[in-house]
Amino acid sequence: EPEVTQTPSHQVTQMGQEVILRCVPISNHLYFYWYRQILGQKVEFLVSFYNNEISEKSEIFDDQFSVERPDGSNFTLKIRSTKLEDSAMYFCASKILAGSGGEQYFGPGTRLTVT
Amino acid sequence: KNEVEQSPQNLTAQEGEFITINCSYSVGISALHWLQQHPGGGIVSLFMLSSGKKKHGRLIATINIQEKHSSLHITASHPRDSAVYICAVKASGSRLTFGEGTQLTVNP
Repeated sequence: EPEVTQTPSHQVTQMGQEVILRCVPISNHLYFYWYRQILGQKVEFLVSFYNNEISEKSEIFDDQFSVERPDGSNFTLKIRSTKLEDSAMYFCASKILAGSGGEQYFGPGTRLTVT
Repeated sequence: KNEVEQSPQNLTAQEGEFITINCSYSVGISALHWLQQHPGGGIVSLFMLSSGKKKHGRLIATINIQEKHSSLHITASHPRDSAVYICAVKASGSRLTFGEGTQLTVNP
């Protein structure tokens, strides 16, 4: 069964460094998402992406964050200058259909630790 | 007040018991998702509902749009069902809004 994959599974970085989290969505999916979950807290929406542009972003997704689909298969989340509070599990998700149609399929997550 | 409220926060059951987890939400929605998160952190989608009821194996999900309420039922619970169960709603736009999750522990 097709699945969403994410790399790396765990990333440790120093405060102020740039990180890129990578996701490979399911191949025929058209809508892509990033979520994060700070340890012990609920999952939060970061951004959605369709047709090579951001379709919606949350208040968390400030200028330090960017997303890209560089080659038609990967979907990346970049954090330009990491802060301690960026430490979280980051989940990528994808779905095939627009609007409320279609389930979102989640990747296994990348645990980001900022020291 | 959270847009999505789940109850209970924690639930411990004996193997074989029937389990119900509840989700209430305060906004108009186009869809509601039930998700399962295992201790390793991975999230699996169980159901997406916009009305009525869905069943998959021992899992049943129902939604009452008028009352803004959904339930997830597990019949004949098993220790492997132990996980965090999360309710998430899609209102306007593309984002999902998540509940805090219900930690389920099923003892043998």
